[in-house]
Amino acid sequence: KAGVTQTPRYLIKTRGQQVTLSCSPISGHRSVSWYQQTPGQGLQFLFEYFSETQRNKGNFPGRFSGRQFSNSRSEMNVSTLELGDSALYLCASSFNPGQTIFSYEQYFGPGTRLTVT
Amino acid sequence: TQLLEQSPQFLSIQEGENLTVYCNSSSVFSSLQWYRQEPGEGPVLLVTVVTGGEVKKLKRLTFQFGDARKDSSLHITAAQPGDTGLYLCAGGGGGSNYKLTFGKGTLLTVNP
Repeated sequence: KAGVTQTPRYLIKTRGQQVTLSCSPISGHRSVSWYQQTPGQGLQFLFEYFSETQRNKGNFPGRFSGRQFSNSRSEMNVSTLELGDSALYLCASSFNPGQTIFSYEQYFGPGTRLTVT
Repeated sequence: TQLLEQSPQFLSIQEGENLTVYCNSSSVFSSLQWYRQEPGEGPVLLVTVVTGGEVKKLKRLTFQFGDARKDSSLHITAAQPGDTGLYLCAGGGGGSNYKLTFGKGTLLTVNP
């Protein structure tokens, strides 16, 4: 089975611009979660989508948004980029978190390294 | 707010030494996972523990879930340079459905 893929792997943007990141989950997985990882804050949860619906959202400003398509692929968008948005953005897929005890297991992509200058 | 606290934050040891890292919370989780992350890559799932008191072994790695399902530990025997990485614990089902709560991680460096 192919793993989770994320594109692009690296991105350099300027303050004020917007960016869209893409994630393709493992085949059969319907849940996609997004995380922001920085050295100081660790892994911070952005949001989770299941069957095209956002089920959970972390404490991030409205500049961070996402969506999921019918094939479970997901995108996240950050508008009006700030220097503090520089981070590794990770996407993780799972079958259906909460359905069973083991269904919380998540499978991560390699991440997109976003640098805002 | 659920929190998972990991200790120590940083650990640098010599090849062949043993070590233990800890993951503690005031919340009860229905399952707890351990992940390892190497630089520039996403975390990779190592193990899931679900039963209080459960012990799982993965070669030289031993994982334990606390009796009350609020804490966990990871013990590595005879560490090797290939064990170097960021070790993350994550709890699921602790009252927030559908998502995992992650600790900030323990950065382990094993020197040859």
